[in-house]
Amino acid sequence: DAKTTQPPSMDCAEGRAANLPCNHSTISGNEYVYWYRQIHSQGPQYIIHGLKNNETNEMASLIITEDRKSSTLILPHATLRDTAVYYCIVRPLYNFNKFYFGSGTKLNVKP
Amino acid sequence: DVKVTQSSRYLVKRTGEKVFLECVQDMDHENMFWYRQDPGLGLRLIYFSYDVKMKEKGDIPEGYSVSREKKERFSLILESASTNQTSMYLCASSLAGQGVETQYFGPGTRLLVL
Repeated sequence: DAKTTQPPSMDCAEGRAANLPCNHSTISGNEYVYWYRQIHSQGPQYIIHGLKNNETNEMASLIITEDRKSSTLILPHATLRDTAVYYCIVRPLYNFNKFYFGSGTKLNVKP
Repeated sequence: DVKVTQSSRYLVKRTGEKVFLECVQDMDHENMFWYRQDPGLGLRLIYFSYDVKMKEKGDIPEGYSVSREKKERFSLILESASTNQTSMYLCASSLAGQGVETQYFGPGTRLLVL
């Protein structure tokens, strides 16, 4: 199963864009990239997912490189409430019920 | 909005006790999941269920069992709690199918076994 690599922590100034990278160099052709976040002491919250094309929703944008070996989650205007651990997940092709959460990136949004 | 609720936010039990953690979802989802989350280890799948009375083992099923008698309810059972089962337990649900199913999580139960 494809694994992901994320930096353990990042800082971002409030109001600026937060760009969170993820490497998934062993991803297979039909595996999706998901992003979740977890605010302290709460359950993970779905943010966005994609396959090949860039995606945008009301929370964030997802940029996937052409070779699909890496992706970037973009929070366009980070707020203090965006401080959380962000997980990049590659969903296995034939075990579509299994989400493998790694250690994630702790995003610290500072005033 | 999908709502997944868990019976307790915090629970303290003694070694050897039988522990029940209950999860309820209100969106008629077919799939339900139990994870545990420990520092440095991320989330690990314990069991999941894709239908009433159906269950499959996840990555760390030892010491746990599950029950799904109704579609909306999925219970995790610790037959004889041990201190190494102290953890945050998270329940999730999703629609069935082979498309892209997003999992929705409950708030979690923080279990301490003394």
